Amino acid sequence: QLQLQESGPGLVKPSETLSLTCTVSGGSISSSIYYWGWIRQPPGKGLEWIGTIYYSGSTYYNPSLKSRVTISVDTSKNHFSLKLSSVTAADTAVYYCARHRGGTSPYYFDYWGQGTLVTVSS
Amino acid sequence: DIQMTQSPSTLSASVGDRVTITCRASQSISTWLAWYQQKPGKAPKLLIYKASSLESGVPSRFSGSGSGTEFTLTISSLQPDDFATYYCQHYNSYFLTFGGGTKVEIK
Repeated sequence: QLQLQESGPGLVKPSETLSLTCTVSGGSISSSIYYWGWIRQPPGKGLEWIGTIYYSGSTYYNPSLKSRVTISVDTSKNHFSLKLSSVTAADTAVYYCARHRGGTSPYYFDYWGQGTLVTVSS
Repeated sequence: DIQMTQSPSTLSASVGDRVTITCRASQSISTWLAWYQQKPGKAPKLLIYKASSLESGVPSRFSGSGSGTEFTLTISSLQPDDFATYYCQHYNSYFLTFGGGTKVEIK
């Protein structure tokens, strides 16, 4: 059974960089038919796609966040990571990692991590 | 960017009711649409993909339809476990978007 687990600090100061890692177990991150993504959900609000990576390193970012987001993959550790720079209180959210089914592009999310709350506050 | 608009934002219904949620895309997305269910404090769960394909293990009371710009998620007979928030998501391009969500509440 595939499992995804987010890890990283739960509290980040304004203007600093949010860093999270998603560790994948029960399957290989190097599979050619899957992509790996990050989604966030501010408290009481809806879902926002942040970005996606393929095992080869190809990345796709939400245009509204693109200037601040970096997603990377480490196939040797079977994990992928998110960095979001210059954070503000508006970046406070539950951050999910998830697996996309895909073809020539990423499709829908079929497995999700449990989510981790990141609060931006001094 | 493709915008996804769900309606209604909140829906009050009773157990046994037939429930329909609508998702509209700002431009045609063929059938590149998925539906998710989310319960409080939990990650979303995939229900439907490619507009009408039922994910394995999802009860058959859930169904999806539509193409182009208008899509619906139908629950044929609402069960107590179905009170949750539902989201649509397009994957017509490399830039993915979710709808704003529809909360299904107990009437």
